[in-house]
Amino acid sequence: SAVISQKPSRDICQRGTSLTIQCQVDSQVTMMFWYRQQPGQSLTLIATANQGSEATYESGFVIDKFPISRPNLTFSTLTVSNMSPEDSSIYLCSVEMSIGGRRYEQYFGPGTRLTVT
Amino acid sequence: ELKVEQNPLFLSMQEGKNYTIYCNYSTTSDRLYWYRQDPGKSLESLFVLLSNGAVKQEGRLMASLDTKARLSTLHITAAVHDLSATYFCALETSGSRLTFGEGTQLTVNP
Repeated sequence: SAVISQKPSRDICQRGTSLTIQCQVDSQVTMMFWYRQQPGQSLTLIATANQGSEATYESGFVIDKFPISRPNLTFSTLTVSNMSPEDSSIYLCSVEMSIGGRRYEQYFGPGTRLTVT
Repeated sequence: ELKVEQNPLFLSMQEGKNYTIYCNYSTTSDRLYWYRQDPGKSLESLFVLLSNGAVKQEGRLMASLDTKARLSTLHITAAVHDLSATYFCALETSGSRLTFGEGTQLTVNP
Protein backbone atom coordinates (compact mmCIF):
# COMPACT_ATOMS: atom_id res chain seq x y z
CA SER A 1 0.00 0.00 0.00
CA ALA A 2 1.06 3.60 -0.48
CA VAL A 3 2.96 5.38 2.22
CA ILE A 4 2.17 8.97 3.04
CA SER A 5 4.38 10.60 5.63
CA GLN A 6 4.26 13.98 7.29
CA LYS A 7 6.88 15.90 9.20
CA PRO A 8 6.78 16.94 11.94
CA SER A 9 4.22 14.69 13.58
CA ARG A 10 3.60 17.31 16.23
CA ASP A 11 4.99 20.64 17.35
CA ILE A 12 4.43 23.32 19.93
CA CYS A 13 5.08 26.81 18.60
CA GLN A 14 4.96 30.33 19.91
CA ARG A 15 2.51 32.82 18.53
CA GLY A 16 3.86 34.99 15.74
CA THR A 17 6.15 32.32 14.38
CA SER A 18 5.72 30.11 11.30
CA LEU A 19 5.86 26.35 10.83
CA THR A 20 6.35 24.41 7.61
CA ILE A 21 4.79 20.96 7.38
CA GLN A 22 6.04 18.45 4.84
CA CYS A 23 4.07 15.73 3.08
CA GLN A 24 5.89 12.98 1.21
CA VAL A 25 4.30 10.19 -0.85
CA ASP A 26 6.19 7.11 -1.97
CA SER A 27 4.76 7.24 -5.50
CA GLN A 28 3.80 9.97 -7.93
CA VAL A 29 0.33 11.40 -7.51
CA THR A 30 -1.55 14.04 -9.43
CA MET A 31 -3.81 15.37 -6.72
CA MET A 32 -2.60 16.48 -3.29
CA PHE A 33 -4.62 18.39 -0.75
CA TRP A 34 -4.21 20.01 2.64
CA TYR A 35 -6.92 19.80 5.32
CA ARG A 36 -7.28 21.26 8.79
CA GLN A 37 -9.01 19.61 11.73
CA GLN A 38 -9.58 21.95 14.62
CA PRO A 39 -9.95 20.40 18.09
CA GLY A 40 -13.09 18.29 18.32
CA GLN A 41 -14.16 19.31 14.83
CA SER A 42 -14.45 17.81 11.38
CA LEU A 43 -12.01 18.31 8.53
CA THR A 44 -11.98 21.38 6.32
CA LEU A 45 -10.16 21.64 3.00
CA ILE A 46 -7.54 24.38 2.97
CA ALA A 47 -6.28 24.08 -0.58
CA THR A 48 -5.40 21.89 -3.51
CA ALA A 49 -1.64 21.72 -4.01
CA ASN A 50 -0.99 22.02 -7.75
CA GLN A 51 2.29 20.81 -9.17
CA GLY A 52 4.06 23.57 -11.05
CA SER A 53 1.52 26.26 -10.31
CA GLU A 54 -0.04 28.17 -7.45
CA ALA A 55 -2.25 26.30 -5.03
CA THR A 56 -6.02 26.66 -5.25
CA TYR A 57 -7.41 27.92 -1.95
CA GLU A 58 -10.85 27.37 -0.49
CA SER A 59 -13.00 30.17 0.80
CA GLY A 60 -11.65 31.48 4.08
CA PHE A 61 -8.05 30.48 3.43
CA VAL A 62 -5.44 32.75 1.85
CA ILE A 63 -1.98 32.26 0.45
CA ASP A 64 -0.35 34.76 2.79
CA LYS A 65 -1.46 32.74 5.81
CA PHE A 66 -1.04 29.24 4.34
CA PRO A 67 1.58 29.28 1.57
CA ILE A 68 1.86 25.93 -0.17
CA SER A 69 4.57 24.51 -2.36
CA ARG A 70 4.37 21.50 -4.70
CA PRO A 71 7.72 21.14 -6.43
CA ASN A 72 7.07 17.64 -7.80
CA LEU A 73 4.53 14.82 -7.89
CA THR A 74 5.57 13.25 -4.57
CA PHE A 75 6.08 16.18 -2.23
CA SER A 76 4.28 19.24 -0.85
CA THR A 77 4.69 21.67 2.00
CA LEU A 78 2.19 23.75 3.92
CA THR A 79 3.37 26.71 5.97
CA VAL A 80 1.26 28.12 8.76
CA SER A 81 2.39 31.74 9.02
CA ASN A 82 2.27 34.25 11.85
CA MET A 83 0.59 31.70 14.08
CA SER A 84 -1.98 32.41 16.75
CA PRO A 85 -3.60 30.01 19.24
CA GLU A 86 -6.56 29.71 16.84
CA ASP A 87 -4.23 27.88 14.44
CA SER A 88 -3.89 25.00 16.90
CA SER A 89 -5.17 22.07 14.85
CA ILE A 90 -4.24 18.86 13.16
CA TYR A 91 -3.07 19.48 9.61
CA LEU A 92 -3.42 16.55 7.21
CA CYS A 93 -2.33 16.06 3.66
CA SER A 94 -4.27 13.76 1.40
CA VAL A 95 -3.60 12.28 -2.00
CA GLU A 96 -5.75 10.72 -4.65
CA MET A 97 -4.33 7.50 -5.94
CA SER A 98 -5.06 4.00 -7.07
CA ILE A 99 -3.73 1.17 -4.92
CA GLY A 100 -3.70 -2.47 -5.88
CA GLY A 101 -5.65 -1.92 -9.07
CA ARG A 102 -8.56 -0.36 -7.24
CA ARG A 103 -10.30 2.80 -8.34
CA TYR A 104 -8.77 6.12 -7.42
CA GLU A 105 -9.47 6.99 -3.80
CA GLN A 106 -8.31 9.62 -1.36
CA TYR A 107 -5.89 8.61 1.36
CA PHE A 108 -4.74 10.69 4.28
CA GLY A 109 -1.36 11.18 5.85
CA PRO A 110 -0.81 10.66 9.58
CA GLY A 111 -1.33 14.37 10.35
CA THR A 112 0.67 17.06 12.11
CA ARG A 113 -0.64 18.12 15.50
CA LEU A 114 0.15 21.81 16.00
CA THR A 115 -0.24 23.62 19.30
CA VAL A 116 0.31 27.38 19.39
CA THR A 117 0.99 28.99 22.76
CA GLU B 1 -23.58 26.35 -0.20
CA LEU B 2 -22.72 22.66 -0.07
CA LYS B 3 -23.80 20.96 3.15
CA VAL B 4 -23.01 17.50 4.43
CA GLU B 5 -24.90 16.60 7.58
CA GLN B 6 -24.51 13.54 9.72
CA ASN B 7 -26.74 12.24 12.43
CA PRO B 8 -26.52 11.36 15.12
CA LEU B 9 -23.39 13.24 16.18
CA PHE B 10 -22.99 11.12 19.28
CA LEU B 11 -24.01 7.49 19.58
CA SER B 12 -23.67 5.25 22.58
CA MET B 13 -24.47 1.63 21.89
CA GLN B 14 -24.41 -1.65 23.73
CA GLU B 15 -22.41 -4.47 22.33
CA GLY B 16 -24.47 -6.74 20.13
CA LYS B 17 -26.91 -4.03 19.06
CA ASN B 18 -27.53 -2.64 15.57
CA TYR B 19 -27.63 0.98 14.54
CA THR B 20 -27.45 3.26 11.51
CA ILE B 21 -25.59 6.52 10.93
CA TYR B 22 -27.07 8.85 8.33
CA CYS B 23 -25.31 11.24 5.98
CA ASN B 24 -27.36 13.76 4.02
CA TYR B 25 -25.89 16.09 1.44
CA SER B 26 -27.17 19.03 -0.55
CA THR B 27 -25.70 18.65 -4.03
CA THR B 28 -25.33 15.97 -6.62
CA SER B 29 -22.24 13.83 -6.51
CA ASP B 30 -21.28 10.39 -7.67
CA ARG B 31 -18.74 9.62 -4.99
CA LEU B 32 -19.11 9.45 -1.24
CA TYR B 33 -16.54 8.27 1.29
CA TRP B 34 -16.82 6.87 4.79
CA TYR B 35 -13.77 7.24 7.04
CA ARG B 36 -12.97 6.10 10.54
CA GLN B 37 -10.84 8.12 12.95
CA ASP B 38 -9.51 6.79 16.25
CA PRO B 39 -8.52 9.32 18.93
CA GLY B 40 -5.24 11.00 18.08
CA LYS B 41 -5.02 9.19 14.76
CA SER B 42 -5.49 10.01 11.11
CA LEU B 43 -8.35 8.88 8.88
CA GLU B 44 -8.78 5.32 7.71
CA SER B 45 -10.77 4.81 4.53
CA LEU B 46 -13.67 2.42 5.04
CA PHE B 47 -15.78 2.68 1.90
CA VAL B 48 -16.01 4.57 -1.35
CA LEU B 49 -19.50 4.55 -2.84
CA LEU B 50 -19.54 5.37 -6.51
CA SER B 51 -23.06 5.12 -7.83
CA ASN B 52 -26.71 5.11 -6.95
CA GLY B 53 -27.75 1.98 -5.14
CA ALA B 54 -24.17 1.06 -4.27
CA VAL B 55 -23.85 -1.15 -1.22
CA LYS B 56 -20.57 -2.25 0.33
CA GLN B 57 -19.94 -4.41 3.37
CA GLU B 58 -16.86 -5.06 5.45
CA GLY B 59 -17.26 -7.08 8.60
CA ARG B 60 -19.92 -5.52 10.81
CA LEU B 61 -20.17 -2.35 8.72
CA MET B 62 -22.33 -1.85 5.65
CA ALA B 63 -22.58 1.36 3.67
CA SER B 64 -25.13 2.35 1.04
CA LEU B 65 -25.72 5.28 -1.26
CA ASP B 66 -28.96 6.74 -2.64
CA THR B 67 -27.98 9.58 -4.96
CA LYS B 68 -31.59 10.49 -5.70
CA ALA B 69 -32.33 11.05 -2.02
CA ARG B 70 -28.80 12.45 -1.48
CA LEU B 71 -28.42 10.08 1.42
CA SER B 72 -25.82 7.59 2.52
CA THR B 73 -26.07 5.26 5.48
CA LEU B 74 -23.51 3.37 7.54
CA HIS B 75 -25.12 0.41 9.26
CA ILE B 76 -23.49 -1.28 12.22
CA THR B 77 -24.45 -4.87 12.94
CA ALA B 78 -23.90 -6.52 16.33
CA ALA B 79 -21.58 -3.79 17.55
CA VAL B 80 -18.37 -4.65 19.36
CA HIS B 81 -16.13 -2.42 21.48
CA ASP B 82 -13.46 -2.26 18.76
CA LEU B 83 -15.85 -0.23 16.60
CA SER B 84 -15.68 2.70 19.03
CA ALA B 85 -14.34 5.63 16.99
CA THR B 86 -15.50 8.72 15.12
CA TYR B 87 -17.00 8.08 11.70
CA PHE B 88 -17.04 10.70 8.95
CA CYS B 89 -18.82 10.77 5.64
CA ALA B 90 -17.28 12.97 2.95
CA LEU B 91 -18.72 14.05 -0.38
CA GLU B 92 -16.45 14.44 -3.36
CA THR B 93 -17.11 17.37 -5.67
CA SER B 94 -15.28 18.92 -8.59
CA GLY B 95 -11.52 18.71 -8.51
CA SER B 96 -11.69 15.72 -6.15
CA ARG B 97 -12.31 18.05 -3.23
CA LEU B 98 -13.90 16.49 -0.16
CA THR B 99 -16.53 18.13 2.05
CA PHE B 100 -16.87 16.34 5.36
CA GLY B 101 -19.82 15.78 7.62
CA GLU B 102 -19.55 16.74 11.27
CA GLY B 103 -18.62 13.23 12.33
CA THR B 104 -20.41 10.68 14.51
CA GLN B 105 -18.66 9.76 17.73
CA LEU B 106 -19.54 6.14 18.41
CA THR B 107 -19.04 4.50 21.78
CA VAL B 108 -19.78 0.80 22.14
CA ASN B 109 -20.27 -0.25 25.74
CA PRO B 110 -19.87 -3.80 27.05
